[in-house]
Amino acid sequence: DARVTQTPRDKVTEMGQEVTMRCQPILGHNTVFWYRQTMMQGLELLAYFRNRAPLDDSGMPKDRFSAEMPDATLATLKIQPSEPRDSAVYFCASGLVSGGTGANVLTFGAGSRLTVL
Amino acid sequence: SQQGEEDPQALSIQEGENATMNCSYKTSINNLQWYRQNSGRGLVHLILIRSNEREKHSGRLRVTLDTSKKSSSLLITASRAADTASYFCAETSGSRLTFGEGTQLTVNP
Repeated sequence: DARVTQTPRDKVTEMGQEVTMRCQPILGHNTVFWYRQTMMQGLELLAYFRNRAPLDDSGMPKDRFSAEMPDATLATLKIQPSEPRDSAVYFCASGLVSGGTGANVLTFGAGSRLTVL
Repeated sequence: SQQGEEDPQALSIQEGENATMNCSYKTSINNLQWYRQNSGRGLVHLILIRSNEREKHSGRLRVTLDTSKKSSSLLITASRAADTASYFCAETSGSRLTFGEGTQLTVNP
């Protein structure tokens, strides 16, 4: 089965440190999403890409978060500097959209659990 | 912040009973999707209903969509203990998916 691979699975770091999360989307998928999940806020959309171009990153705190797709096989989410309130599970998901109103069914990775002390 | 709401937030039933979860959304959608999340895992797609459809079935799942009320419901029939999970609806506008707050379903054996 094709799957979305996320690394690291678990990360514990100290406040102020840089954190980079990586995602390998499913080959052939043309959309990539980053979500953050916490008990208080649920699933928040941070950013998403289509054909490697960022379409919307309005959900991210721009001063500390950045998301990129250096190539079709890698998406990254970086936090610098990290803060305790960034502690959450970060999910990457990829999907295939074939047209303007085409369905976009997402396949999720297993998530990266981030704890910032 | 989350768009859309789901109710109930939590639902506990006995095996064999039916479970109904509701979702309200806010935007004009292309389609609406339901996903399931087991504890500690990523979300898994269950079913998609297009904006011009009113009802859709897949195995023990039945989804309805009322675009005039901007609401959808997910019915799981003859529930099993293995159905215990969180269930999320996702409104789709263009290629963007925004998830609701989810319903935690517990099916007691």
